[in-house]
Amino acid sequence: GQQLNQSPQSMFIQEGEDVSMNCTSSSIFNTWLWYKQDPGEGPVLLIALYKAGELTSNGRLTAQFGITRKDSFLNISASIPSDVGIYFCAGQYAGTSGSRLTFGEGTQLTVNP
Amino acid sequence: DVKVTQSSRYLVKRTGEKVFLECVQDMDHENMFWYRQDPGLGLRLIYFSYDVKMKEKGDIPEGYSVSREKKERFSLILESASTNQTSMYLCASRANRGRIGEHYTFGSGTRLTVV
Repeated sequence: GQQLNQSPQSMFIQEGEDVSMNCTSSSIFNTWLWYKQDPGEGPVLLIALYKAGELTSNGRLTAQFGITRKDSFLNISASIPSDVGIYFCAGQYAGTSGSRLTFGEGTQLTVNP
Repeated sequence: DVKVTQSSRYLVKRTGEKVFLECVQDMDHENMFWYRQDPGLGLRLIYFSYDVKMKEKGDIPEGYSVSREKKERFSLILESASTNQTSMYLCASRANRGRIGEHYTFGSGTRLTVV
């Protein structure tokens, strides 16, 4: 099955720094989602994007649905220690129906106080 | 809030054992999913079900089977566990209503070790 290419795989940053991660696909998506997974828990939805070009914010988080429909990025501004976790992009390929999602490999974020 | 409950947080099983991972959701969702999570590989879909007694293969179904006899319960079965099935297993459910990001809820995961 297809997977999304997510980068970087890991990031080590200082508290207060901004963070950027992205996902790319060789196929067109009609939905992009960004999830965060805390240690010992399941992923939780952060931001959902449903339209090409859409830019959406959720507090310090901002995500965009690429114009080509093949990429998306997530930015976190002014990082804090509780931002630590694994961030996943996920999407639904255009032309598919139902509830099937494809996930990226994940970005492990570490924030040093 | 929707709750997706996985029966075990940690399991240790021996090679060759038959293993059952159970998942229950309490919001009458039609769709249920089993994913496997491995470092550097993200979440990979094993099987999913869009209705009682219905199932479809995901991307990595080999070595697994599933059962959905009741709407709220979706079981993942390892017929003969092998060490390469050591992983974190995540269950998820979703209602048919709304857009795909909505109502898509994960359980806390079962970390399975096969020795």
